[in-house]
Amino acid sequence: DAKTTQPPSMDCAEGRAANLPCNHSTISGNEYVYWYRQIHSQGPQYIIHGLKNNETNEMASLIITEDRKSSTLILPHATLRDTAVYYCIVRGLGSGNTPLVFGKGTRLSVIA
Amino acid sequence: NAGVTQTPKFRILKIGQSMTLQCAQDMNHNYMYWYRQDPGMGLKLIYYSVGAGITDKGEVPNGYNVSRSTTEDFPLRLELAAPSQTSVYFCASSYGGGGAVNEQFFGPGTRLTVL
Repeated sequence: DAKTTQPPSMDCAEGRAANLPCNHSTISGNEYVYWYRQIHSQGPQYIIHGLKNNETNEMASLIITEDRKSSTLILPHATLRDTAVYYCIVRGLGSGNTPLVFGKGTRLSVIA
Repeated sequence: NAGVTQTPKFRILKIGQSMTLQCAQDMNHNYMYWYRQDPGMGLKLIYYSVGAGITDKGEVPNGYNVSRSTTEDFPLRLELAAPSQTSVYFCASSYGGGGAVNEQFFGPGTRLTVL
């Protein structure tokens, strides 16, 4: 699986959009981008995934660049409850059930 | 559904003691995993199982053992506790039905301290 690079921390004002970047310059054609988050002391929670098209669900949007070397997770209206560590993970098409490889992620602090 | 449950929530062990961390899921998932998370770090895989009777080592298996006699349960055994095993332990499960995404569901964690 390709390596990912994320900033260690970010701040966001409550009610504003939080844009979390992720670099995955060595991603290969059959690898998906996944995002999980971990709210303090809890187990990680799945947010969203994508291959090359932009994706949106009730939690967030995922924007993947055309060359697929980077992506951005967008929380459109961040709340205090979105304060968490966000993990960007790249995994191959055939590894849907293989264990996740977690980096250190980005610690997002939503500020009132 | 209760999802993934873990017991105990907290435990303090003395060096050399043994214990079993319990994990159960009621979602009929084939795949189950054990991760540990040290302070300020990401999760690291200890062991995983693709079905009853089948287990495999992850990145950091030393000092741990697992068994999977049923689909629902995946206990993690520490035989001789060491201070290096002080960590938060997370159990997770996923369906295993194929496809690109099989969302992993995580339990609430067990916080273990070895003194």
